[in-house]
Amino acid sequence: GQQLNQSPQSMFIQEGEDVSMNCTSSSIFNTWLWYKQDPGEGPVLLIALYKAGELTSNGRLTAQFGITRKDSFLNISASIPSDVGIYFCAGRGNRDDKIIFGKGTRLHILP
Amino acid sequence: NAGVTQTPKFRILKIGQSMTLQCTQDMNHNYMYWYRQDPGMGLKLIYYSVGAGITDKGEVPNGYNVSRSTTEDFPLRLELAAPSQTSVYFCASSPRPYGYTFGSGTRLTVV
Repeated sequence: GQQLNQSPQSMFIQEGEDVSMNCTSSSIFNTWLWYKQDPGEGPVLLIALYKAGELTSNGRLTAQFGITRKDSFLNISASIPSDVGIYFCAGRGNRDDKIIFGKGTRLHILP
Repeated sequence: NAGVTQTPKFRILKIGQSMTLQCTQDMNHNYMYWYRQDPGMGLKLIYYSVGAGITDKGEVPNGYNVSRSTTEDFPLRLELAAPSQTSVYFCASSPRPYGYTFGSGTRLTVV
């Protein structure tokens, strides 16, 4: 079945640093999504990507849909303490009624 | 709007007991989903529904059952609880097969 490989599994950064994480799949996706999960809460959608090559920003967050349609990345610029959490990538194939999730990247910000 | 409401928030079950996790959404979404989240493992799809009266298995359906008699409700049933079902369960809904809105989760422990 389809699998998503998300990396890195965790990151420890200083406040103010930029962050980059990515996701690769074993098959082509038509939609890429990036979610953030805060402790004790459900994931919240950050950015949705619908076309190969698409680059979309949401404040300090930027995500891109890879041209091969098998990868995506998420960048966070000038990190702040509230960026702490788990970031999930998710993807959907052409005929699927569901999306699959990566295992997440846990972001820690050092004081 | 309340969005996606899950109850209960926490539950401890004994092995072999049964219970129903409730999920209700007030957004008139056709698509609804149940995921389980284990530490470091991301989100695994248990069951999903594309509309009232229609359900389908996800990646990890064994030990669970669902029903979708109305658009609003999508309960998840555990018939014979096992320790392997200890997890955090998330319900989600969407108007299309991506861009989910998640509930805040049910933390289940089976002892």
